[in-house]
Amino acid sequence: DIQMTQSPSSLSASVGARVTITCRASQTISTYLNWYHQKPGKAPKLLISAASSLQSGVPSRFSGSGSGTDFTLTIINLQPEDFATYYCQQSHSTPHTFGPGTKLEIK
Amino acid sequence: QVQLVESGGGVVQPGRSLRLSCAASGFVFNTYAMHWVRQAPGKGLEWVAFIWFDGSHTAYADSVRGRLTISRDNSKDTLYLEMNTLRAEDTAIYYCARQRRDALDYWGQGTLVTVSS
Repeated sequence: DIQMTQSPSSLSASVGARVTITCRASQTISTYLNWYHQKPGKAPKLLISAASSLQSGVPSRFSGSGSGTDFTLTIINLQPEDFATYYCQQSHSTPHTFGPGTKLEIK
Repeated sequence: QVQLVESGGGVVQPGRSLRLSCAASGFVFNTYAMHWVRQAPGKGLEWVAFIWFDGSHTAYADSVRGRLTISRDNSKDTLYLEMNTLRAEDTAIYYCARQRRDALDYWGQGTLVTVSS
């Protein structure tokens, strides 16, 4: 099975800041990498698929990059509604494992 | 609009069974693969299972293989998760989700399963 790791596990930032979250796969997954965020009590929401493809309706301050084993999610100009937990997920092969999550909190 | 509505959760004793349902609407259900993802209280997301658009192929997480079974009824636009020999560690919110281009683009609101004596 492919293992996913994320760093950092938690992050504190201010409104307007820029943050980067890293996701690493235990073996190459090409660009079969998705990013979600989840707010307390809510279902996860897809932000980016195929490593860098922004979903319709997701603000352009979100961007993703990477291929192979190393990926990043970058958020510029953080807004209050961006404070949530972020998960990466590989869809290269089953089981479609998720990373452990990165909790983004307001400083 | 796309809607996924899970039901069937509740409190169940260890070793017993439960069947979850996910009613889909707003899209052509029989053209999409579907997934179940769960989240234990205070924990992260765990991928559970998926099924092809026509039900011809399924896959499972190691932690549930042999005990949980995913299925679908395309005539009813409904996804199922049959859960047998339940354990305390199966306690979680269970989400159904639609797959589009190798990602889960729509999710239900989840249904809580609690395994406890």
